[in-house]
Amino acid sequence: DIQMTQSPSSLSASVGDRVTITCRASQNIGSFLNWYQQKPGRAPKVLIYGASSLESGVPSRFSGSGSGTDFTLTITTLQPEDFATYYCQQTDGFSWTFGQGTKVEVK
Amino acid sequence: QITLKESGPTLVKPTQTLTLTCTFSGFSLDSSKEGVGWIRQPPGKALEWLALIYWDDDKRYSPSLSSRLTITKDASKNQVVLTLTNMDPVDTATYYCAHRRPYILTGYYSDYFDYWGQGTLVTVSS
Repeated sequence: DIQMTQSPSSLSASVGDRVTITCRASQNIGSFLNWYQQKPGRAPKVLIYGASSLESGVPSRFSGSGSGTDFTLTITTLQPEDFATYYCQQTDGFSWTFGQGTKVEVK
Repeated sequence: QITLKESGPTLVKPTQTLTLTCTFSGFSLDSSKEGVGWIRQPPGKALEWLALIYWDDDKRYSPSLSSRLTITKDASKNQVVLTLTNMDPVDTATYYCAHRRPYILTGYYSDYFDYWGQGTLVTVSS
């Protein structure tokens, strides 16, 4: 099984900050990495697919990068609505694996 | 507009079998490349993928739960059903179904979950 490890598990930030979340796969997954945002009591929402492609309707302050085993989600200018938990997710076509999540909290 | 909605019991007893139904609209599971997955989330914990079924009835299961899971589809009713046997309190979670969106990258198909149901909380307790 491919394991996904996110860091940090949580972070405190202020509106306007640049935020970076990392995700590491236990083996090479190419660029098959997706990022989701989840707010309390809500279903997850996809932000990025294919490591760096922005899902339609998602603000451009969100970006993704990386390939192989190391990936990054960046929020360039944190907005009030961005305080949430973020998950990375991979698939190799046989199983789908989520990271443990990164909670972005108000500083 | 794609929508999905989960339905099923909110409370099950240990050792019972959980049956959840995902009723969807806006796409057809008869159409090529379509798929529906199930994902769960214990209270305060991370997301965990459970199973996925493709338009051609190909199925994938979480390796850690494969012996307890079954996923089926009824394309004529626009429904996907997930069963999880031998329920335990650790299976208490919000269960989501989600639409699989395929994409091509460097010549290979992959996918992500683009539309999700609202989720249904299932509690396992005697």
